[in-house]
Amino acid sequence: AAGVIQSPRHLIKEKRETATLKCYPIPRHDTVYWYQQGPGQDPQFLISFYEKMQSDKGSIPDRFSAQQFSDYHSELNMSSLELGDSALYFCASRRRETGNTIYFGEGSWLTVV
Amino acid sequence: LAKTTQPISMDSYEGQEVNITCSHNNIATNDYITWYQQFPSQGPRFIIQGYKTKVTNEVASLFIPADRKSSTLSLPRVSLSDTAVYYCLVGELLYSSASKIIFGSGTRLSIRP
Repeated sequence: AAGVIQSPRHLIKEKRETATLKCYPIPRHDTVYWYQQGPGQDPQFLISFYEKMQSDKGSIPDRFSAQQFSDYHSELNMSSLELGDSALYFCASRRRETGNTIYFGEGSWLTVV
Repeated sequence: LAKTTQPISMDSYEGQEVNITCSHNNIATNDYITWYQQFPSQGPRFIIQGYKTKVTNEVASLFIPADRKSSTLSLPRVSLSDTAVYYCLVGELLYSSASKIIFGSGTRLSIRP
């Protein structure tokens, strides 16, 4: 079965640079969630989208932005990167009308040096 | 979503049965209980979901008492590969606009030979 696809899997950026992470939800899933997980920490909710509209925001820095496109894939844009942004970023998806389960991608590792 | 409380860590040995309990005193009528497993550097993986009584699948069982204020994930005959962090999430998702899925502090399970 198709899963949530994230790219790239690994990314190394320098401070003050910009990074873009992509998430391709499971086909027919209309809701996407983004999370940030630092080393040894629990996942922190960043932002979510339903039908291409932002649904909710969590602890997402102002330097970060995200959107969901017409094909339901989502992109997380991170600017003015800081060392503290180094983390595993993963997204999850579900289908609102039939999905009582959220499925997670394998994550994208961002290292800021 | 309802707030959840789990033990921070647990240790066990190969071949043993492991039970991890999650407390969710303010669970709502329409809330489901879902357990996820997360290995280092990977996204959380769905294990099992239930609403009441007992649910069993090929990897685990989920016991939910009548008052639904707690739930117990049971892993039969664990192996070294079951060493992971286990998260309990409680909330209503089906048909809902639940857009902020919050992780609590998971249980770090360590299995020894």
